[in-house]
Amino acid sequence: DTAVSQTPKYLVTQMGNDKSIKCEQNLGHDTMYWYKQDSKKFLKIMFSYNNKELIINETVPNRFSPKSPDKAHLNLHINSLELGDSAVYFCASSQTANEQFFGPGTRLTVL
Amino acid sequence: AQSVTQLGSHVSVSEGALVLLRCNYSSSVPPYLFWYVQYPNQGLQLLLKYTSAATLVKGINGFEAEFKKSETSFHLTKPSAHMSDAAEYFCAVRRSGGSNYKLTFGKGTLLTVNP
Repeated sequence: DTAVSQTPKYLVTQMGNDKSIKCEQNLGHDTMYWYKQDSKKFLKIMFSYNNKELIINETVPNRFSPKSPDKAHLNLHINSLELGDSAVYFCASSQTANEQFFGPGTRLTVL
Repeated sequence: AQSVTQLGSHVSVSEGALVLLRCNYSSSVPPYLFWYVQYPNQGLQLLLKYTSAATLVKGINGFEAEFKKSETSFHLTKPSAHMSDAAEYFCAVRRSGGSNYKLTFGKGTLLTVNP
């Protein structure tokens, strides 16, 4: 009965590799988000989709590409991983302007 | 644009003592304000929210916060701390209108509770 789930929970990879993180929500929400939490615990929005349409695209390197195949899923693909990409990535969802529900996070470590 | 400042990156209290975590916001439009809690190695859980109704907002686990427009503050309080309250707390703001629902977070306050 998990509301917002992410896979994988941990991801360890080498510099230069390409990786994906998947997010699914079963709350029936129409808006989904990706946030990045750095090593100092600072959280920053990256992207947001509303009904599969990109509505927020912050100043994120174009190596990061979100994809929303349907309203319940939002994936994040990262090309040519760099050391600075190491962080915890959180997916969240909301019903339009209501409060956001967060997933458990994916800890990405780039070696 | 919106921003949030959380005063004190680390607050330490004794079990049973008052918890006060400070949050000040800046917003060019009427804001919505939120407090989230993050336990170690977990996601964020919503504690409470202010969305322009009552200025005193009650949340889960005995927490409450008061929206004070004149002071641009939204401080989080709990009368009596429990050991289980030890966690990182984040204040967040977003605009109340429009279609941009992004949350802007403060830098967080780590709460430790001493026995």
